[in-house]
Amino acid sequence: RKEVEQDPGPFNVPEGATVAFNCTYSNSASQSFFWYRQDCRKEPKLLMSVYSSGNEDGRFTAQLNRASQYISLLIRDSKLSDSATYLCAVRAYSSASKIIFGSGTRLSIRP
Amino acid sequence: DTGVSQDPRHKITKRGQNVTFRCDPISEHNRLYWYRQTLGQGPEFLTYFQNEAQLEKSRLLSDRFSAERPKGSFSTLEIQRTEQGDSAMYLCAEGAGGPQETQYFGPGTRLLVL
Repeated sequence: RKEVEQDPGPFNVPEGATVAFNCTYSNSASQSFFWYRQDCRKEPKLLMSVYSSGNEDGRFTAQLNRASQYISLLIRDSKLSDSATYLCAVRAYSSASKIIFGSGTRLSIRP
Repeated sequence: DTGVSQDPRHKITKRGQNVTFRCDPISEHNRLYWYRQTLGQGPEFLTYFQNEAQLEKSRLLSDRFSAERPKGSFSTLEIQRTEQGDSAMYLCAEGAGGPQETQYFGPGTRLLVL
């Protein structure tokens, strides 16, 4: 079983729709959680860190469920420019620095 | 934008050749990471440095791979006797350290081994 798992998608949704992704992690000792966005043939860019209380940044909301060991990303009022691959990332307690990435979820927004 | 730069951006080489990649973080962050990413996968951790000390290496980092950060600033990743399976994007990232550290990636070096 992979340490961090994501539905690869693709999710194909119309502009303006709300879309949500989940990501599960296997190490219950994981401490830090992140969502990255990656455009085709580009490097991953940090979208947001995920805090225990949940956090929101404009149209993006991230939540953490420690009991069920998953994090989620909600995108409201999706734009064409949101089309990308969204990578979930987790840092385990056993390694203060190594981040484990999921394989990513592809999102395509159609006009 | 972190300003992490990587050189070269693309590299095509023949199997068996050695290649070296360079990463230059601009900021004062003391941690530098190398990851490898293949198509359809997320980045996989290879190794990281705190200043000039290499503190962790992944099992993915075979003895053909070596990384250095001699002065605690730029870093190099060398692959000896390249194999076709080494074809991937090699990403460098910088981080400030701490339990909530976030990592910021450079543009990557895309390697193709023929």
